[in-house]
Amino acid sequence: GAVVSQHPSRVICKSGTSVKIECRSLDFQATTMFWYRQFPKKSLMLMATSNEGSKATYEQGVEKDKFLINHASLTLSTLTVTSAHPEDSSFYICSAGSVSYEQYFGPGTRLTVT
Amino acid sequence: GQQVMQIPQYQHVQEGEDFTTYCNSSTTLSNIQWYKQRPGGHPVFLIQLVKSGEVKKQKRLTFQFGEAKKNSSLHITATQTTDVGTYFCAGKFGNEKLTFGTGTRLTIIP
Repeated sequence: GAVVSQHPSRVICKSGTSVKIECRSLDFQATTMFWYRQFPKKSLMLMATSNEGSKATYEQGVEKDKFLINHASLTLSTLTVTSAHPEDSSFYICSAGSVSYEQYFGPGTRLTVT
Repeated sequence: GQQVMQIPQYQHVQEGEDFTTYCNSSTTLSNIQWYKQRPGGHPVFLIQLVKSGEVKKQKRLTFQFGEAKKNSSLHITATQTTDVGTYFCAGKFGNEKLTFGTGTRLTIIP
């Protein structure tokens, strides 16, 4: 199957700082990528749909100014958590692929805000 | 918003026993996908079901899509330790995004 990478895999940052997470599709072009958040032992919550060359579509309750998404190319989408707080600590996972068929997930980024 | 419920939340089985997880939606799904997430890992696609009443098999795994396209099940025959993980269904409503179920965490007692 297709390969999606994420970087970094783990990050610890101080409260008030911003963190950027990269999601790359390594062997295919992804016009659409998805960003999820997963709490421990919980399901995946879709945060936003990242569209190449246009603005991301955010789910209800997700602050667009807090979670900045940029999809500048067909192989790269970035999620920036701005002014991070401890409650933003979570596992962030991106995926790429058609909603009509399988999604390929990245390995995830574990964010800890101290 | 649309929700997809999964039961049970947890399942502990002896190695060799069967396992089933059920996925339910209150509204009709256009398709349903199943994913497996190993502990510490990321979700990996298993299969997609599209047709009403569809049944698909992958070795010891059997996937079913209900006649009304509102429910689905995953059955594993004779579980092995490699089956450990959380199984998620993900339903698609019309042309909407995928909505993930709450997941069933399977643990195997050797």
